[in-house]
Amino acid sequence: EPEVTQTPSHQVTQMGQEVILRCVPISNHLYFYWYRQILGQKVEFLVSFYNNEISEKSEIFDDQFSVERPDGSNFTLKIRSTKLEDSAMYFCASKQGQAPLNTEAFFGQGTRLTVV
Amino acid sequence: AQKVTQAQTEISVVEKEDVTLDCVYETRDTTYYLFWYKQPPSGELVFLIRRNSFDEQNEISGRYSWNFQKSTSSFNFTITASQVVDSAVYFCALRGTDKLIFGTGTRLQVFP
Repeated sequence: EPEVTQTPSHQVTQMGQEVILRCVPISNHLYFYWYRQILGQKVEFLVSFYNNEISEKSEIFDDQFSVERPDGSNFTLKIRSTKLEDSAMYFCASKQGQAPLNTEAFFGQGTRLTVV
Repeated sequence: AQKVTQAQTEISVVEKEDVTLDCVYETRDTTYYLFWYKQPPSGELVFLIRRNSFDEQNEISGRYSWNFQKSTSSFNFTITASQVVDSAVYFCALRGTDKLIFGTGTRLQVFP
């Protein structure tokens, strides 16, 4: 069964460093997302991406964050200068299409980012 | 504004008990989708069900059942004859046009 794959599963980085989280969405999916879950809290939307551009972003997704689909298969989230409060589980998700082909988003297994 | 409320922070039951997880949502959209996801201790999000706003039929899948009531803006989830493997955090979520809005989750602990 096709799945969304995220690498690495766990990343430790020093405060102020840049980090890139990688995702390989399901191959025929067109909509891509990043969500974040701070430990013990709810899952929060960060950004959605379609047709090579951001379609929506949340207040959390400030100038420190960027997304890219560099080669048609990977979907990356870059945090330019990490802060302690960026420590969280980051989930990538992809979805096939919009209504009337409205389907659920499939989530990757997550990347746990720890900023020290 | 869209909002999902899961008032139960944590529920503990003994194996074989039935348990219901509550979910109340707010939205002004006339077309929307409701979801339940399971997050086991390993951390991934496992899709359980999607329901659209026009379909209020209750659904049963094995030991799982869902009760969608538009009149009370609720989408409750019942596990019948719970098992230890059901121990996880369960999230209810709402989608209007695109992004998912999650509730705060209910941690279910099933003891043998």
